[in-house]
This record gives sequence, C-alpha cells and structure tokens, in this order.
Amino acid sequence: SQQGEEDPQALSIQEGENATMNCSYKTSINNLQWYRQNSGRGLVHLILIRSNEREKHSGRLRVTLDTSKKSSSLLITASRAADTASYFCATDAPRSNFGNEKLTFGTGTRLTIIP
Amino acid sequence: DGGITQSPKYLFRKEGQNVTLSCEQNLNHDAMYWYRQDPGQGLRLIYYSQIVNDFQKGDIAEGYSVSREKKESFPLTVTSAQKNPTAFYLCASSIRGREYNEQFFGPGTRLTVL
Repeated sequence: SQQGEEDPQALSIQEGENATMNCSYKTSINNLQWYRQNSGRGLVHLILIRSNEREKHSGRLRVTLDTSKKSSSLLITASRAADTASYFCATDAPRSNFGNEKLTFGTGTRLTIIP
Repeated sequence: DGGITQSPKYLFRKEGQNVTLSCEQNLNHDAMYWYRQDPGQGLRLIYYSQIVNDFQKGDIAEGYSVSREKKESFPLTVTSAQKNPTAFYLCASSIRGREYNEQFFGPGTRLTVL
C-alpha cells in the first residue's frame, strides 16, 4: 500500500523561482529518500535524510524532516528548465535485522519549470 | 559501465498471452525489485528478491511471477491472470544489509495489451 502522499500533485513555476514539495507518511521510518523521474524514464536517487536528522542540503536541494508530523519537504532553489520532472519520496521502515528491506514510494509531485 | 538494463523498452501483448520482462544488473547488488507504475501514479511493489533463489511478494503480486536463478538477473513474467497489465514496469536493485536502502533503477519497460 502507498504510505507516502505528496503535495501538491502538480506544480508549475517560472525558471529561477524556488519549488517546494511535501511528503507525508503514516508509520515510523528509518529514513526518507527523495527520487526524481524524468518522463518515461527510471528513478534517480537525489538525497536521503535519516530519522534523527531535521535538515539536509545537497547543492540546490534542501530536505527537511519532521518526524512528529510524519512529513518531509523538498526545496529546489533557483529552478532550471532541466528540473522539470516528477519527484517521489520513499520511506524505509525501521528494522531490527536485515530482512524485509523495501521502500514505500509516494504518489509523486509533477514539477514543470517554465522557461 | 555499471548499471541496470531492462528489455524490451516497449512491449505489446495480446490478451491471454504471457510475457516476460528482462532485468539485468552488473552492480553486484544482492537485492532486486519490480515495480509497476500507472499513469500519474507512484510505484507499487510487485516482487522483490534479497538473495539468489529467494523472493517475496510485494503489494500487487497477483498475476505476476518471478525467478532469481542468478544474482544479475530478475525476470518478471506477466501472466494472463493479470487483468489489467498495461503499465510502465520498473526494475531496481540495491546493496543488501546497509543502514539505508538506496535503489538504482533501470530505464523501464512499457507494456501495452492490445
């Protein structure tokens, strides 16, 4: 079952503006990841944030995590036309052993950057 | 180049036929996964395998079958029992036993039932 829900489902902004998308989940997590998917392609890992972290940066990406609200946000600063893609959050449940290693993906935000 | 390959890129199937989607990786990853993606939707897990000769059902395994005879290969068969198989299928792999499960994806196979 889908655990993550992204908001908004679709977002269109002008090039150069910042884009923010949110992810909510339902159960405890070990970590949360964000992936990007260009149209008709596979997903590419962008950034990971652990459950004991609150904020993480990578280049123009900033991810926050609020475990009390079971939510995360992905901020892309100074957007470019090449950022046009769908963005998915994925959660990894806590595990006491190395079994049952699987991710649960959200429904995605479709981001369009207008040149 | 290391990576994951999926073939074919496009596949057309007549109703009642079984078809097999190929997934191969040369990343030396133990774990492999199959997902289904419908238009405008997220990924739903079909099957996953953490080690050769072992696999587990995901959330939507009905109408699908897999095998894991080799570490590099994880083929998915879409059987005639799958009532609505038209979708985009993604294969992924990851290193097993790490603190986090970063997955590497293939380019996908788009299956259309005629």
